[in-house]
Formats: sequence, structure tokens, C-alpha cells
Amino acid sequence: DSGVTQTPKHLITATGQRVTLRCSPRSGDLSVYWYQQSLDQGLQFLIQYYNGEERAKGNILERFSAQQFPDLHSELNLSSLELGDSALYFCASSATGTKLNEQFFGPGTRLTVL
Amino acid sequence: SQQGEEDPQALSIQEGENATMNCSYKTSINNLQWYRQNSGRGLVHLILIRSNEREKHSGRLRVTLDTSKKSSSLLITASRAADTASYFCATVTNAGKSTFGDGTTLTVKP
Repeated sequence: DSGVTQTPKHLITATGQRVTLRCSPRSGDLSVYWYQQSLDQGLQFLIQYYNGEERAKGNILERFSAQQFPDLHSELNLSSLELGDSALYFCASSATGTKLNEQFFGPGTRLTVL
Repeated sequence: SQQGEEDPQALSIQEGENATMNCSYKTSINNLQWYRQNSGRGLVHLILIRSNEREKHSGRLRVTLDTSKKSSSLLITASRAADTASYFCATVTNAGKSTFGDGTTLTVKP
């Protein structure tokens, strides 16, 4: 158990809909990272937050947004969903604001868009 | 293309044998990390090797880093069926940007 929790574990929805994925980092970790893992794209870094502020952006679509709250939990919002958004979404946390140290991954949310 | 690329894509061995996976990258790094992922689960950090280190050990894991060749290898000795998983390398630059490779899928047959 990494100490990172993600909810829900599974999510099935229809195209055009909007969903929110939630992540609670390990106790004391200030950074949260979001990743998307699909069969054809591999593990793609989406975005990082550090202590409530956006720190780095990766391959995140404009239809997607994220935020980190004062209690350090984070939410990833996916809107106007398309079939291709079906994937595993992972969040990871680390103690520092950089990725120079190890990241602790949550169990993931499996999103299926029908 | 990915900064870190693992080789081979898939590896199948018998229990007790050693498994070696390689990772090549293109730009300068601060460190390189190896992760393991069981099917459908989250990634688990295995080991981190910094750019000024050449070799690191952790239990049955041995990681080497050759910055002149921009490559790293992960060796799992005396493999067990429970080692069956996908293994990813992640390269981290000095700016803190990390990129994961596509992974090597290891199958250890009992």
C-alpha cells in the first residue's frame, strides 16, 4: 500500500459526459501528479501540482483540468469525454516539488467511455 | 519519441533464471528510476540511481547506469513467479521533468 488513495476505482460513462477523479496523496506529500495509461499511448504525464499550485504540465488536453485543494487532495476533471479517453488514470505523490525523488502511485481509476 | 525506451518489450523466463531489462534514453538526466506494475495496478517504485552512480543493489535487484551510453539495465536475479509484471524506467532531468518508457513485460514461468 503506497498510502495514495484514488476514487472511484472504476467509472463507466458515455461520450460527451464529464467526470471527476479524486486523489489523496500520502500524508505529508505536497506534490500530486496525474498520469494517463492506455494501451496505445503508454504512461503519459498529464499535470503536476505542488502545494496547491500548478507546477508542470504534460500532455494534458484542454478538455481536462485539475486542481489541488488546501488539504492537498487533488481532482482531475475530464469533460466532453470521447471513446479514446478510456484508460487507467493514476495519481502519484511525492514529498518535494520536483520529480527528483521517487513517486508513490495510487491504485488508479479505470475509466471506460462507451 | 519517449525519453526512456525499454528493451525487450517482452521477456519470458523460467523461475530461478535471471532477467535483464534495458533502458535507453536521449538527453541528460539527473536520475533514472525503475518501477514495477502488476497488471491493472499502480506503479511501485523499485530503485533510483543518480547520474553520478554506476551501480545500485536492492535485494535481488541490480541496476547499472552508463551515462556515456545513455543506458541503464535492471537485473532481477533468481526470478520468482511473483516477479511477473511490467517494468518501467523513468528518466528524470535536472529540471525535474520525468518521462516513462513503454515498459518491459516480464513473465516468469513456475
